[in-house]
Amino acid sequence: DTAVSQTPKYLVTQMGNDKSIKCEQNLGHDTMYWYKQDSKKFLKIMFSYNNKELIINETVPNRFSPKSPDKAHLNLHINSLELGDSAVYFCASSPRMGANEQYFGPGTRLTVT
Amino acid sequence: KQEVTQIPAALSVPEGENLVLNCSFTDSAIYNLQWFRQDPGKGLTSLLLIQSSQREQTSGRLNASLDKSSGRSTLYIAASQPGDSATYLCAVRRGALSAGKSTFGDGTTLTVKP
Repeated sequence: DTAVSQTPKYLVTQMGNDKSIKCEQNLGHDTMYWYKQDSKKFLKIMFSYNNKELIINETVPNRFSPKSPDKAHLNLHINSLELGDSAVYFCASSPRMGANEQYFGPGTRLTVT
Repeated sequence: KQEVTQIPAALSVPEGENLVLNCSFTDSAIYNLQWFRQDPGKGLTSLLLIQSSQREQTSGRLNASLDKSSGRSTLYIAASQPGDSATYLCAVRRGALSAGKSTFGDGTTLTVKP
């Protein structure tokens, strides 16, 4: 059974478009995250939600807007895509805030042309 | 089950000192190890990433080493500054990111006194 799933796996789009990436976890976890993996493979946290509430909002452009319709879902919407948004985006979940284990989704490779 | 331990839990040093933070893990079959810093009330900032095939990585005043066989990593901070005060976390990834799981240590809270 898939624990953390993301759709789509690959997304190729043009500059200026608006796109969404969806994330779902079936682990019953309270906390979900969005990370961006840059060209150096660093994972940089973007957002953290706990029980549908935004906890952490790192310095990301406000073109990025997360939405959590329920505890099991955390979607990422990106407006007016730019070339620099090209990266792999990972969703993750953990049982609760501060838990030492995080379970990651397979990633969404976004390419902006 | 992977367990990650960071020692010490807290560290206070005067400005200018060199210091070492320790991270140990129980399962040496890791994919990579990443050091983060976390400032109060904020998210994680990536510092250094070491792939399992590497021994160390350097960025500015920071140097991270990895000894997979002994299950240890160290983060060396040279000439510490008050702005280095934060909680430092290490995270060990079991497999490639598609395998899904990272285990974080509890962190070392560093205070650098002016």
